[in-house]
Amino acid sequence: QKEVEQDPGPLSVPEGAIVSLNCTYSNSAFQYFMWYRQYSRKGPELLMYTYSSGNKEDGRFTAQVDKSSKYISLFIRDSQPSDSATYLCAMNRGGADGLTFGKGTHLIIQP
Amino acid sequence: NAGVTQTPKFRILKIGQSMTLQCTQDMNHNYMYWYRQDPGMGLKLIYYSVGAGITDKGEVPNGYNVSRSTTEDFPLRLELAAPSQTSVYFCASSYSLPSEYQETQYFGPGTRLLVL
Repeated sequence: QKEVEQDPGPLSVPEGAIVSLNCTYSNSAFQYFMWYRQYSRKGPELLMYTYSSGNKEDGRFTAQVDKSSKYISLFIRDSQPSDSATYLCAMNRGGADGLTFGKGTHLIIQP
Repeated sequence: NAGVTQTPKFRILKIGQSMTLQCTQDMNHNYMYWYRQDPGMGLKLIYYSVGAGITDKGEVPNGYNVSRSTTEDFPLRLELAAPSQTSVYFCASSYSLPSEYQETQYFGPGTRLLVL
């Protein structure tokens, strides 16, 4: 069982739809949860950062963490073609030894 | 601030050649990281550093070496390039360990490496 599971997609939705992206994980020691957006041939860009369980909202983006189910989600409201990218979930136990990433979900927003 | 910069952007190496991937950050971050990303895969940690003079291995360190002589620079060295090292390499940095209040790990634009 991989530490972090993420459906690679592609996920294709029409413009304006609500998008739901998810990751599951197996290591209960993870405490910090991130979503990165990566455009083609670019570096990952930090989108959302959440500590422990709960919700965090930033504009059209909402991140949810359910530690009891080992499940994290990213919701995108009023999706735009410019949101088309690969979305990577990442997590950390709180130490200096880097992030553990999912494979990324390729998202396509159709105009 | 330029953030995290990486050079070169793209390189083709022959098997057995060596090269150094450069990474520089101007944010006075203490922690720096090297990841590799293979097609359709997430990023895997190669090496990391918690400050000048201190480095440690990540998940996939074999075939690589690093050094950290200054806070700003964290070069990654490939000594004997192999086709398995064909990948995209990302450098990242953060000011501190993750915390409830501190976001973490900002990434550079990457170096695409092809070993033939």
